[in-house]
Amino acid sequence: DAKTTQPPSMDCAEGRAANLPCNHSTISGNEYVYWYRQIHSQGPQYIIHGLKNNETNEMASLIITEDRKSSTLILPHATLRDTAVYYCIVRVAGDNYGQNFVFGPGTRLSVLP
Amino acid sequence: EAQVTQNPRYLITVTGKKLTVTCSQNMNHEYMSWYRQDPGLGLRQIYYSMNVEVTDKGDVPEGYKVSRKEKRNFPLILESPSPNQTSLYFCASSPTLGSEQYFGPGTRLTVT
Repeated sequence: DAKTTQPPSMDCAEGRAANLPCNHSTISGNEYVYWYRQIHSQGPQYIIHGLKNNETNEMASLIITEDRKSSTLILPHATLRDTAVYYCIVRVAGDNYGQNFVFGPGTRLSVLP
Repeated sequence: EAQVTQNPRYLITVTGKKLTVTCSQNMNHEYMSWYRQDPGLGLRQIYYSMNVEVTDKGDVPEGYKVSRKEKRNFPLILESPSPNQTSLYFCASSPTLGSEQYFGPGTRLTVT
């Protein structure tokens, strides 16, 4: 699976959009981009995933560049409860490799009042 | 409510005393896995199971055993715990391999 690069930390003002970047320049054509977050020491929480089209759900939007070498997770109106470590992961969906997601160090997002 | 449960949530034990951490999911998921999380090392996969009676090693399987006799349960067994297994453990399940995972609340284990 392709490796990802994320900034170690970011700040965002409450109520503003939080834009979390992820570089995955070696991504393969059949690899999806997944985002998870982990609030304090709770279990990681799935946010969103996509292949090449932009995706949106009730939590966030995922913008993937046309060349698929990078993506941005957007939290449209960040709240204090969005303070967490955000993980960007790329992997092939539904393949036969047993090992699932490889979590890197992620980006620690701090939403400030 | 769809969920993954783990027990116990906290455990302090001594070196060499066998223990089991249980994991159960009520979503009829095929895929289940165990991770450990340590400061500076992130989440690392210990073992995974693609279905009943099908298990395999992840990145850090040494010192651990698992079993998958029923679809809903995936216990993690430490036959002879050692202090380097002090960690935060998470169980996860997903409908199929590669789909989004649902994580349990975690088990904080301390081995003295």
